[in-house]
Amino acid sequence: QKEVEQNSGPLSVPEGAIASLNCTYSDRVSQSFFWYRQYSGKSPELIMSIYSNGDKEDGRFTAQLNKASQYVSLLIRDSQPSDSATYLCAVPNQAGTALIFGKGTTLSVSS
Amino acid sequence: DAGVTQSPTHLIKTRGQQVTLRCSPKSGHDTVSWYQQALGQGPQFIFQYYEEEERQRGNFPDRFSGHQFPNYSSELNVNALLLGDSALYLCASSYGGGAVTNEQFFGPGTRLTVL
Repeated sequence: QKEVEQNSGPLSVPEGAIASLNCTYSDRVSQSFFWYRQYSGKSPELIMSIYSNGDKEDGRFTAQLNKASQYVSLLIRDSQPSDSATYLCAVPNQAGTALIFGKGTTLSVSS
Repeated sequence: DAGVTQSPTHLIKTRGQQVTLRCSPKSGHDTVSWYQQALGQGPQFIFQYYEEEERQRGNFPDRFSGHQFPNYSSELNVNALLLGDSALYLCASSYGGGAVTNEQFFGPGTRLTVL
């Protein structure tokens, strides 16, 4: 059974700082990785997907993948109070049809 | 273009009762996956429906069952409710049989409280 581990936080950063969110996974064969953002009381929203080693940038968000270390991270540059949310890391299940989520890291950005 | 819709928004039931939750996928999508999210946890996969059949199931008991209709909408049924079934139930829609590389869009969820 695949497992996804995240530090539950809360991670607190001041406005304008870089927030770094980390995730480790147990299965070496995972090929795709997803970061979802979930505001309190709302449903998860996909913000980044990454499939190959290295960095992938999208606006203020950068996903970093290191398959050898089984580690994926999400960097949020110029953090805004509106980024305050829970960030969920997810990998596909064995069949590749559903997602296995971590428990999420709560980010708080203070103005 | 309507996104994923779910009904009802909130539901309160007592132990032992049965509940039915509904989901309409995003326009153009044909696959519906259901997840349970307990407080403070990540979503857990319940099952997936494609072509009106249950294609895959997570680690949930038979009390959890579902259905997909010809218009791709889906229902989740939970029998003999337990206190531990209290959670946010999320429906995710996608296209093409649920390959995860096809983005899954989540609906707003149904908050179920079992007393």
